[in-house]
Amino acid sequence: GESVGLHLPTLSVQEGDNSIINCAYSNSASDYFIWYKQESGKGPQFIIDIRSNMDKRQGQRVTVLLNKTVKHLSLQIAATQPGDSAVYFCAVSGATNKLIFGTGTLLAVQP
Amino acid sequence: KAGVTQTPRYLIKTRGQQVTLSCSPISGHRSVSWYQQTPGQGLQFLFEYFSETQRNKGNFPGRFSGRQFSNSRSEMNVSTLELGDSALYLCASSVQGALDQPQHFGDGTRLSIL
Repeated sequence: GESVGLHLPTLSVQEGDNSIINCAYSNSASDYFIWYKQESGKGPQFIIDIRSNMDKRQGQRVTVLLNKTVKHLSLQIAATQPGDSAVYFCAVSGATNKLIFGTGTLLAVQP
Repeated sequence: KAGVTQTPRYLIKTRGQQVTLSCSPISGHRSVSWYQQTPGQGLQFLFEYFSETQRNKGNFPGRFSGRQFSNSRSEMNVSTLELGDSALYLCASSVQGALDQPQHFGDGTRLSIL
């Protein structure tokens, strides 16, 4: 089967620091990768995505890195703000015709 | 542009009952997917509908079913409710599908089974 795991269930950072959230996937045939942010009481919100033909993609204050060799995906948030506090999910598709979500990392931003 | 709307937001049912949840996708989106979210299992895919046809299905029992209407609105139904069906049910829409483009999620229906 296919699995997606996150390295840390909780990450605590100081406001202004950079945050890195990691994700590992199991199937080398996966070709689409996406990060979502979920705030309390709300549905997941799209942050950034990347396809397997790329290894880095940047958005506003966010960067996604894809290492296909070790099947690892990371989300970097620059200058983390209190509004970034949320649960972050990675999701992967392409191998099993389904979008598989990781279990989520809770990002806590300390003022 | 209005986002994905799910109704109702909260629902309390008892074991053995059935329930229908509703989802209105973003205008122009033809793909609607449903997910179950629980603290223990995370986000799990239920099914995807595209142009009124079920295109993909997750590993849930037949008690979970859905449908999509010609205006892309979707409903999911759970029959013979069990305590373990207590969860947040999320609907997500996208233009063409869930596997290679971002989905837009609603805020979910919180279903509690007593």
